[in-house]
Amino acid sequence: AQKVTQAQTEISVVEKEDVTLDCVYETRDTTYYLFWYKQPPSGELVFLIRRNSFDEQNEISGRYSWNFQKSTSSFNFTITASQVVDSAVYFCALSPSGGSYIPTFGRGTSLIVHP
Amino acid sequence: DVKVTQSSRYLVKRTGEKVFLECVQDMDHENMFWYRQDPGLGLRLIYFSYDVKMKEKGDIPEGYSVSREKKERFSLILESASTNQTSMYLCASNLAGSTDTQYFGPGTRLTVL
Repeated sequence: AQKVTQAQTEISVVEKEDVTLDCVYETRDTTYYLFWYKQPPSGELVFLIRRNSFDEQNEISGRYSWNFQKSTSSFNFTITASQVVDSAVYFCALSPSGGSYIPTFGRGTSLIVHP
Repeated sequence: DVKVTQSSRYLVKRTGEKVFLECVQDMDHENMFWYRQDPGLGLRLIYFSYDVKMKEKGDIPEGYSVSREKKERFSLILESASTNQTSMYLCASNLAGSTDTQYFGPGTRLTVL
């Protein structure tokens, strides 16, 4: 069975602060994929990143960066110099590489960035 | 540009009514999903379809049914709506047999009075 834990229910920061959203996962698979999605107030989940279990390189995309550590089963997401537009609910998800490929989602972290 | 559309953004129904939520995708995806999103509970899978007329139950199928008569359309049916089905419903799609990202619709916020 797969499990994704996002322990932070809500995070509140002031603009320009850095913020890290935690994601811890459990799986028995040796090959799997991890995702982050953003859900702005409009409601539609937007894909941010996909990472396979063999690629532990950190990724940076503008102000966003992701730290994948297999040793601790974590896939954390950091926003540098946060902005009000970053306010959203962020979901981490885990997908097996075979079978039905149905992903398991965490419960989400609500990020509120104050001006 | 990929697109998943849902028939309504907001819907208000009465207890006992039959409710249809429609989802259409234009990406020729085999897989389609219906999720329910509630505060503090994240996304929970209701039903999943991997081909026309094929469906599988997700984690919380009770009180729901689905229909997939055409590849691009996946309908969620509440046979007799109840107040505990008040929620945000999200549809998604992706390619079969892949770990491709899911593409989500804008969601339907359903209120059952």
